[in-house]
Amino acid sequence: QSALTQPASVSGSPGQSITISCTGTSSDVGSYNLVSWYQQHPGKAPNLVIYEVTKRPSGVSNRFSGSKSGNTASLTIYGLQAEDEADYYCCSPAPTSWVFGEGTKVTVL
Amino acid sequence: QVQLMQSGAEVRKPGASVKVSCKVSGYTLTDHFIHWVRQAPGQGLEWMGRIDPKTGGTIYIQKFRGRVTMTTDTSVSTAYMDLSGLTSGDSVTYFCASGGAGTAGTAIDYWGQGTLVTVSS
Repeated sequence: QSALTQPASVSGSPGQSITISCTGTSSDVGSYNLVSWYQQHPGKAPNLVIYEVTKRPSGVSNRFSGSKSGNTASLTIYGLQAEDEADYYCCSPAPTSWVFGEGTKVTVL
Repeated sequence: QVQLMQSGAEVRKPGASVKVSCKVSGYTLTDHFIHWVRQAPGQGLEWMGRIDPKTGGTIYIQKFRGRVTMTTDTSVSTAYMDLSGLTSGDSVTYFCASGGAGTAGTAIDYWGQGTLVTVSS
């Protein structure tokens, strides 16, 4: 199972919005409405920010929004803040496994 | 609240084995799968496999079959990941994670703090 494809880096200024894409196949992202997104700060464990494509866990800012079309899922961060600078990973189930994206480094300029 | 507490950092020689533990609290271990994910320094997340604590059923990705064993001890609410035949490529951080304690089983949600394994002669 190959890793899901994400851009290596995305940047934006404070207050702007950015979108991270996550492209898989019809066997993973395209087959399940179960894409999740994780934020990971250096030296820390990943933190779930979106699950089931669009849902936010309790305590996660509503500035985080998820969507999906076909084999590509997206995470949008609205009103970018300094604390959003981190690595972001998407994840999807597949028939007999789970697969993560390659990861995207978000830089707040 | 849900917590997953992993064992501390380990150092092993090439060819040795390592067993990482993951004690859960805040929910019943048998209610959700436990996933194991690893991450090399500066690299992405790699799903290794998962165990169903209720049945003991496991799924491992092909890369680790024959080298990894995932188990649980429900009496102490703890999951274990045993990796044998260690090489320098196994010098990474290992995470355990709950398969849905907060998301009704639909996501890998709560994570342990990670355990760094270093393989060095």
